[in-house]
Amino acid sequence: DGGITQSPKYLFRKEGQNVTLSCEQNLNHDAMYWYRQDPGQGLRLIYYSQIVNDFQKGDIAEGYSVSREKKESFPLTVTSAQKNPTAFYLCASSGGEGYEQYFGPGTRLTVT
Amino acid sequence: QQPVQSPQAVILREGEDAVINCSSSKALYSVHWYRQKHGEAPVFLMILLKGGEQKGHEKISASFNEKKQQSSLYLTASQLSYSGTYFCGTPPDSWGKLQFGAGTQVVVTP
Repeated sequence: DGGITQSPKYLFRKEGQNVTLSCEQNLNHDAMYWYRQDPGQGLRLIYYSQIVNDFQKGDIAEGYSVSREKKESFPLTVTSAQKNPTAFYLCASSGGEGYEQYFGPGTRLTVT
Repeated sequence: QQPVQSPQAVILREGEDAVINCSSSKALYSVHWYRQKHGEAPVFLMILLKGGEQKGHEKISASFNEKKQQSSLYLTASQLSYSGTYFCGTPPDSWGKLQFGAGTQVVVTP
């Protein structure tokens, strides 16, 4: 089955620690995205990548970093510089004619 | 610029209809619609491309008016499974990056 996987589903970290969220897709999509969602809010774009070895900042990139070394993988690192990292993180990919996006199940990160 | 959705929330009884609107201050290349159930990831419903063709998904359909720079999502004869938050997404250019509206929460009651 084609799809997007994110792991882990829940993640707990202490303040001051960097944490990396995994995102893998087997849809053969060129483009991948990371979004942040806070309770009751919409989706805010963190980073996106149109092609391997290239990525661009989204609207809220500060305190985050990404890499795109393989077409299938787009990991997100939440650094200690991110002021309020507790949120629901969603990864998506697109590759259809209209670039419709398909989302992974998400990772809920809690930092205390 | 983030598209503007209205209403913010709507409560329906099973079988009733509802309309959700999505408007932009900029010209639109396309409009995407997604539904997110509580605690889950958003799911793609449909995309409206330039040309105004109406699309459908189950008894959910949508229209796209390029001149008015807006799209409307129609929930017809709503079912309990239609409950969730509906987001519209619009690309700021011809490529795939999307800007999402704030969402419309739909609650369908028996």
